Amino acid sequence: AQSVTQLGSHVSVSEGALVLLRCNYSSSVPPYLFWYVQYPNQGLQLLLKYTSAATLVKGINGFEAEFKKSETSFHLTKPSAHMSDAAEYFCAVTLTGGGNKLTFGTGTQLKVEL
Amino acid sequence: DAGVTQSPTHLIKTRGQHVTLRCSPISGHKSVSWYQQVLGQGPQFIFQYYEKEERGRGNFPDRFSARQFPNYSSELNVNALLLGDSALYLCASSLVGGGSTDTQYFGPGTRLTVL
Repeated sequence: AQSVTQLGSHVSVSEGALVLLRCNYSSSVPPYLFWYVQYPNQGLQLLLKYTSAATLVKGINGFEAEFKKSETSFHLTKPSAHMSDAAEYFCAVTLTGGGNKLTFGTGTQLKVEL
Repeated sequence: DAGVTQSPTHLIKTRGQHVTLRCSPISGHKSVSWYQQVLGQGPQFIFQYYEKEERGRGNFPDRFSARQFPNYSSELNVNALLLGDSALYLCASSLVGGGSTDTQYFGPGTRLTVL
């Protein structure tokens, strides 16, 4: 079975500061990993995904994530936060050869302050 | 191109009633998955359908059922509603239902409130 753990249910940063959202995964086989963003009263939008190619994955809106097998981590970063980044972020995992059932973490609410 | 669409956007039901939620995938997508998102939690997988066949089922009771139609649209049915079924129900579509190149695109969701 696969799972993800998101450390920190709420993260607050100043506008222009580094954004770091943490995600650790557990998987018995090589995983595919995803970050999704959810704005209030909306569905989920894919930010980026890791599918065993490059370990550093670049996504939309300036976000990127690095797959570290030794640390079983897939943390999401952005060099400079913008007010429009305020939203809830979900890390998710699915297994290679396992259809596309996504297992999500509990989410991290990002607040961006002036 | 239109994204994933879901209907209705909101609905209110009472305990014991039945509800049907609908989803239209992105044109050309053959796989539809359903997720339940309870307030304050991450989405939980309910079903996946690909080419009208059930490909996966999450840990939900038999009160939950779904089907996929020849045009790849899908319905999620929930019988004997409980208060705990109140949630945002998300539909996601993808081209082939799995694999490294497959990506799920989510609709805006249906907000179900059970009173």
